[in-house]
Amino acid sequence: KQEVTQIPAALSVPEGENLVLNCSFTDSAIYNLQWFRQDPGKGLTSLLLIQSSQREQTSGRLNASLDKSSGRSTLYIAASQPGDSATYLCAVNFGNEKLTFGTGTRLTIIP
Amino acid sequence: DAGVTQSPTHLIKTRGQQVTLRCSPKSGHDTVSWYQQALGQGPQFIFQYYEEEERQRGNFPDRFSGHQFPNYSSELNVNALLLGDSALYLCASSLPLEEHTGELFFGEGSRLTVL
Repeated sequence: KQEVTQIPAALSVPEGENLVLNCSFTDSAIYNLQWFRQDPGKGLTSLLLIQSSQREQTSGRLNASLDKSSGRSTLYIAASQPGDSATYLCAVNFGNEKLTFGTGTRLTIIP
Repeated sequence: DAGVTQSPTHLIKTRGQQVTLRCSPKSGHDTVSWYQQALGQGPQFIFQYYEEEERQRGNFPDRFSGHQFPNYSSELNVNALLLGDSALYLCASSLPLEEHTGELFFGEGSRLTVL
């Protein structure tokens, strides 16, 4: 069964710190992986998309890496800000044109 | 350039009723997918529409049905509502296959509460 896991479920860090969010998946034969941000009661905002042939993608203070052999992806956030507080979701396309999501990590940045 | 738009944003129904949710994809997108997100969970794939046909379906009962129109907009219908259908329903769109990067763009969702 193709599954995506995100640990921890919640994380609190002081403002200004760098942090890493983790995502693991059960099948290394992926098509791509996408990281999303979700604010309470809102929709999903796409942050980064990594194709299966890529090792990492960067956008501003965000960097996402992909290691298919170990079934892992990380989202690195540099110099965290209170506005980064949200739930971060990892989603994997296992090649069947649909996304399988983790349950997310709820991030709180403490001012 | 408008993103993915969904309506209504919130609605309340009672058990046994029927509901229709609507989605307009991002400009230039022709594929629409629907997801259900229960509170505290990740979204679950319901089905995907392309060229007005259901292309694939997740593990949802036949009470969940959909439609895609020639302008690529889509509807999600749920019949005989159950309390467990209470969730945020998300619509996502993507580019045509020849331009497709695999990236999905989501709307703000429709929050359904079943009493």
